Amino acid sequence: DQQVKQNSPSLSVQEGRISILNCDYTNSMFDYFLWYKKYPAEGPTFLISISSIKDKNEDGRFTVFLNKSAKHLSLHIVPSQPGDSAVYFCAASDSSDYKLSFGAGTTVTVRA
Amino acid sequence: DAGVIQSPRHEVTEMGQEVTLRCKPISGHDYLFWYRQTMMRGLELLIYFNNNVPIDDSGMPEDRFSAKMPNASFSTLKIQPSEPRDSAVYFCASTGGLPGGELFFGEGSRLTVL
Repeated sequence: DQQVKQNSPSLSVQEGRISILNCDYTNSMFDYFLWYKKYPAEGPTFLISISSIKDKNEDGRFTVFLNKSAKHLSLHIVPSQPGDSAVYFCAASDSSDYKLSFGAGTTVTVRA
Repeated sequence: DAGVIQSPRHEVTEMGQEVTLRCKPISGHDYLFWYRQTMMRGLELLIYFNNNVPIDDSGMPEDRFSAKMPNASFSTLKIQPSEPRDSAVYFCASTGGLPGGELFFGEGSRLTVL
């Protein structure tokens, strides 16, 4: 029973345009959300996070938006670059716990 | 500083054989996690340890899977006997930070069971 869902397995976007990745969660106890990026043959690496006390967090080209009432978050990448081509995992946790629950991932391909 | 180190990077074995995957967490991290990545389910938590003690093993799929952490710098995940459906990438991760925070992952062990 997956508590974090990424319903789009893949996304293709042209270089310079915006990439929008979506994530839904079911556990109302989750109050901390993270995005990880994974290149082939490498482990996932942390990208950006957001606490439930916020609805937006920005870091350079990456912005995460949180809609707690809808149990939905999204990652915006603007502008998209070829180096952004990777698998992106959404993750969530209850901040009283150390374990992260991950979604299935979205493969982003940025076309030149 | 060295990151999380996993071995082997690739393992090909035949059904019924024993498989042992190894992990060295980042020094000073007192939480260690084993995840499995599959196409259908993404990253699934199998088990995690705190100070070498298993805290939650509810994600371990069957009795064929076992994990140990004999000391702060070493953990193993063992599958005996292995089956083709165990084929996946197995990741080890560690953290020493606050609850709910960032995990640091190794490069993974790709297991293929024929």
